[in-house]
Amino acid sequence: QVQLVESGGGLVKPGGSLRLSCAASEFTFSDYFMSWVRQAPGRGLEWVGYISPGGTNIYYADSVKGRFTISRDNPKNSLSLQMNSLRAEDTAVYYCARTYLSIVLPPAAIYFDSWGQGTLVTVSS
Amino acid sequence: QSVLTQPPSVSAAPGQKVTISCSGSSSSIGNNYVSWYQQFPGTAPKLLIYDNDKRPSGIPDRFSGSRSGTSATLGITGLQTGDEAVYYCGTWDSSLSTVAFGGGTKVTVL
Repeated sequence: QVQLVESGGGLVKPGGSLRLSCAASEFTFSDYFMSWVRQAPGRGLEWVGYISPGGTNIYYADSVKGRFTISRDNPKNSLSLQMNSLRAEDTAVYYCARTYLSIVLPPAAIYFDSWGQGTLVTVSS
Repeated sequence: QSVLTQPPSVSAAPGQKVTISCSGSSSSIGNNYVSWYQQFPGTAPKLLIYDNDKRPSGIPDRFSGSRSGTSATLGITGLQTGDEAVYYCGTWDSSLSTVAFGGGTKVTVL
């Protein structure tokens, strides 16, 4: 059974930085796209970005572009999210999710078939 | 404001059927596949439907998905109290080059 375990969340001041990690197991991590999806308290889902299996193709939502960096370490089965210049509106539970992606030709398909339990990031002074 | 539009809530009695709509555009639902997720309070979302109408292994056939034009629908038959959750639709938006989610629909079993 696929396992994804996030860590690294916590309280950080506006303008600060935080690094989230996601430990993957029970599947061949290097074969899959991976994504980060966040959910502000009491709100809906917001996709943050994805990374290709080899780590060469990374795409971000406009809301985090230039501030967040997604990376992966395939030998260690690990996904990371480096978050800089944090804002109050970045406060959310952050989920890592195994991703199926096919967007080169229509119809595009993207879905998240396994999710971690999430880690809470609170940006507040 | 979400790119995809869902009703905030739907309700029905146990054993009945509910449908949840998800409205988009030609650049989102109109030309791309839709997925649906179920989320219970305090837990991670779970994939229910992908590629408009396919169910992952382990998802009961009480859950179904369809797409017509720029809208998609999730159906739940034989409604159970354990189905009370928030349901989200999602797709790729080719114009915005982003993943789009609906705002979520809370299902209440009366």
